[in-house]
Amino acid sequence: QQPVQSPQAVILREGEDAVINCSSSKALYSVHWYRQKHGEAPVFLMILLKGGEQKGHEKISASFNEKKQQSSLYLTASQLSYSGTYFCGTEFRTYGKLTFGQGTILTVHP
Amino acid sequence: DADVTQTPRNRITKTGKRIMLECSQTKGHDRMYWYRQDPGLGLRLIYYSFDVKDINKGEISDGYSVSRQAQAKFSLSLESAIPNQTALYFCATSDHRSSSYNEQFFGPGTRLTVL
Repeated sequence: QQPVQSPQAVILREGEDAVINCSSSKALYSVHWYRQKHGEAPVFLMILLKGGEQKGHEKISASFNEKKQQSSLYLTASQLSYSGTYFCGTEFRTYGKLTFGQGTILTVHP
Repeated sequence: DADVTQTPRNRITKTGKRIMLECSQTKGHDRMYWYRQDPGLGLRLIYYSFDVKDINKGEISDGYSVSRQAQAKFSLSLESAIPNQTALYFCATSDHRSSSYNEQFFGPGTRLTVL
């Protein structure tokens, strides 16, 4: 099942904060976050594993609530370069196969 | 730099034609994936391969086939293209042998238009 992302779109001014959520109806092994700029390929941002391990960019933070099967991506003090579409990808077991959400479009204005 | 490349980058074809999209990687990764991206639908998995002899269907494999010719090469074929296969196609790789995280690295994409 495809995870559900919210909101679908968000508009910010530079310096503002945003939270993007990703929810699954199934128990998750891991949640991945990727950012895709217009006309480019998705780029890996962060992975959060069941049990608390995580790996990602030092300027990106995220959480994984295993009880609720939800992950949140926190974008603080946003910059123009943060603009793009953010996708979460969920992994149900250690199969290495991801199911992606529909994406959240983030636009940061000066 | 170790990379993921896709050819062609753009392709326009006609209904009924056979098309092959190619993906090559110099990252030394063992796992390779093909995704399709349509506006508002995110990335949907077509096929994936965990090594040369292991190929699996994804969620939307109908109308597609793949070939893993070598660890570094993974090709996607449309046997008889139809207009609703018009989309942006991405190849991705991940390294399972040296990482438990399975982060995926995407190629630049192939924009396919079927008339």
